[in-house]
Amino acid sequence: GAVVSQHPSRVICKSGTSVKIECRSLDFQATTMFWYRQFPKKSLMLMATSNEGSKATYEQGVEKDKFLINHASLTLSTLTVTSAHPEDSSFYICSAKRAGGLAGGQFFGPGTRLTVL
Amino acid sequence: QQPVQSPQAVILREGEDAVINCSSSKALYSVHWYRQKHGEAPVFLMILLKGGEQKGHDKISASFNEKKQQSSLYLTASQLSYSGTYFCGTEKETSGSRLTFGEGTQLTVNP
Repeated sequence: GAVVSQHPSRVICKSGTSVKIECRSLDFQATTMFWYRQFPKKSLMLMATSNEGSKATYEQGVEKDKFLINHASLTLSTLTVTSAHPEDSSFYICSAKRAGGLAGGQFFGPGTRLTVL
Repeated sequence: QQPVQSPQAVILREGEDAVINCSSSKALYSVHWYRQKHGEAPVFLMILLKGGEQKGHDKISASFNEKKQQSSLYLTASQLSYSGTYFCGTEKETSGSRLTFGEGTQLTVNP
């Protein structure tokens, strides 16, 4: 299989604090990971593409300094929401694409529900 | 640009069939289909590449019409476990594996 984990699954924090979310591919190597945001009953919105060993590529309208992404290894990417505010509350999901260059699906982590008070 | 999915919602009785469509105005390299249950992450169903493909496993299959830039997901003899929101994700040749997802189709299968 292709298993992707996320930690934490749920986090509640005060406004102004920073929150780090980890995304790990457990049984495969992923040169590319993706971070999405999903609002209730809405579609997945791509925030950024995380590449191992290089800077992340952000989608238009996503603040780089607010959503810091680090892809430290072939199995780990982290998203840090800095100085979180209530409007950052959302369901954050990562996905990973197998290394190897062949076309294939993205495998999603279980998601992290962030609530900023 | 976001692909358009139709219908937005469909309600079936167990054993009935359904078709979900996904259309794009852009030339696509691939179409990915996912199912998401409430509160959970999307689960990968299948990927179809340009060149016109048809794929399937069990009673779920899909096609990709490259000329029309349209993909359809076919659910036959639906089971209760098929309930969820189905998303298509489209990939352009130049998008570097980045997917743009449709708004989703909510499928409910009742006994």
